[in-house]
Amino acid sequence: DADVTQTPRNRITKTGKRIMLECSQTKGHDRMYWYRQDPGLGLRLIYYSFDVKDINKGEISDGYSVSRQAQAKFSLSLESAIPNQTALYFCATSDHNYEQYFGPGTRLTVT
Amino acid sequence: QKEVEQDPGPLSVPEGAIVSLNCTYSNSAFQYFMWYRQYSRKGPELLMYTYSSGNKEDGRFTAQVDKSSKYISLFIRDSQPSDSATYLCAMTGVWTGNQFYFGTGTSLTVIP
Repeated sequence: DADVTQTPRNRITKTGKRIMLECSQTKGHDRMYWYRQDPGLGLRLIYYSFDVKDINKGEISDGYSVSRQAQAKFSLSLESAIPNQTALYFCATSDHNYEQYFGPGTRLTVT
Repeated sequence: QKEVEQDPGPLSVPEGAIVSLNCTYSNSAFQYFMWYRQYSRKGPELLMYTYSSGNKEDGRFTAQVDKSSKYISLFIRDSQPSDSATYLCAMTGVWTGNQFYFGTGTSLTVIP
């Protein structure tokens, strides 16, 4: 089984809808991250969490919120989706300063 | 100015060639320098990391960091078609809040 899983893998939704992306990990890491990847812009950090009680905004947190339900679970929500949130979303975990483990990604399309 | 700059390519080389991938950065507080490989429709996976300046070799891959020039490189010797992927550099450090800063990625194709 994969160490970092993301659900759903693909999602098409309409403008204004609320959507949640979920991430689970079995690596036992304390640190979890949400990124979005856009062509020409690379990976950009949305939110990160260093433990269950710690939530931090990243570079592009506007329009997003997160919930750290447990050490192993970190969810990303789009309260009211808009078309420019169409992107590939990755969850990652880390236990050290230098190594992150990424999930397979969620391809989100907002129409 | 972006924290990390990386030429997006695309880069196309014949099998067996030596490939050089590079990134520049602006924040001297970065301490850890990583290279990730990302195959199409997959998440990035860590290829190599280096702490501070210096070289690190792992098989056909060599990572170099020159902190004085704020420049890092990844060399791939005897490139193979299976090396075809996007390569992303990344950096972090204690004094940068342990956030990871990524380059935009360089797309590499190795032609058999």
